[in-house]
Amino acid sequence: KAGVTQTPRYLIKTRGQQVTLSCSPISGHRSVSWYQQTPGQGLQFLFEYFSETQRNKGNFPGRFSGRQFSNSRSEMNVSTLELGDSALYLCASRLGVASYNEQFFGPGTRLTVL
Amino acid sequence: DQQVKQNSPSLSVQEGRISILNCDYTNSMFDYFLWYKKYPAEGPTFLISISSIKDKNEDGRFTVFLNKSAKHLSLHIVPSQPGDSAVYFCAAWGSGGSNYKLTFGKGTLLTVNP
Repeated sequence: KAGVTQTPRYLIKTRGQQVTLSCSPISGHRSVSWYQQTPGQGLQFLFEYFSETQRNKGNFPGRFSGRQFSNSRSEMNVSTLELGDSALYLCASRLGVASYNEQFFGPGTRLTVL
Repeated sequence: DQQVKQNSPSLSVQEGRISILNCDYTNSMFDYFLWYKKYPAEGPTFLISISSIKDKNEDGRFTVFLNKSAKHLSLHIVPSQPGDSAVYFCAAWGSGGSNYKLTFGKGTLLTVNP
């Protein structure tokens, strides 16, 4: 079974631009979550989608948005990029939304904002 | 407001000895706790979990202990192996406001020396 895949793996953008990151979950998984990892803040929850609906949202500004498609694939968008948005963005999928449903992480997309 | 804290950024242990990684939390609404392991350039992988109704869970060389009154959990690895060298994240499911989400600590880098 293929794991969680994220594209692109690396991305360089400049301030003010926008970016879209993509995540394909493990087949059969209906929940997709996004996290931001930075050296100073660690792993921070962005949002979770289940069956195309956003279930939970972390404490990030409205510049960060996401969506999920009917095939469970998910995209994350960041508009008006700032230098502080440079981070590793991780996507995780799981079968359901119970706490005991194990999350499987992708390798991440490394975003650099210049 | 860091609700999950890993106060030791790094830990160095000799091969064959016990590794003890610690984690403290402040949110009494957390009801499920997990440990993840992360190698460079990879996403975190699930290691072991424990429900808030238990105080111990064991899986091979890995044991997680939960002390609810102290809001403290720990991961014991016995015996430690060089392949265990990685960053270990403590995480907890629970409600923060209206969100039920997974909150991570900042991680502890474990180095197991041969």
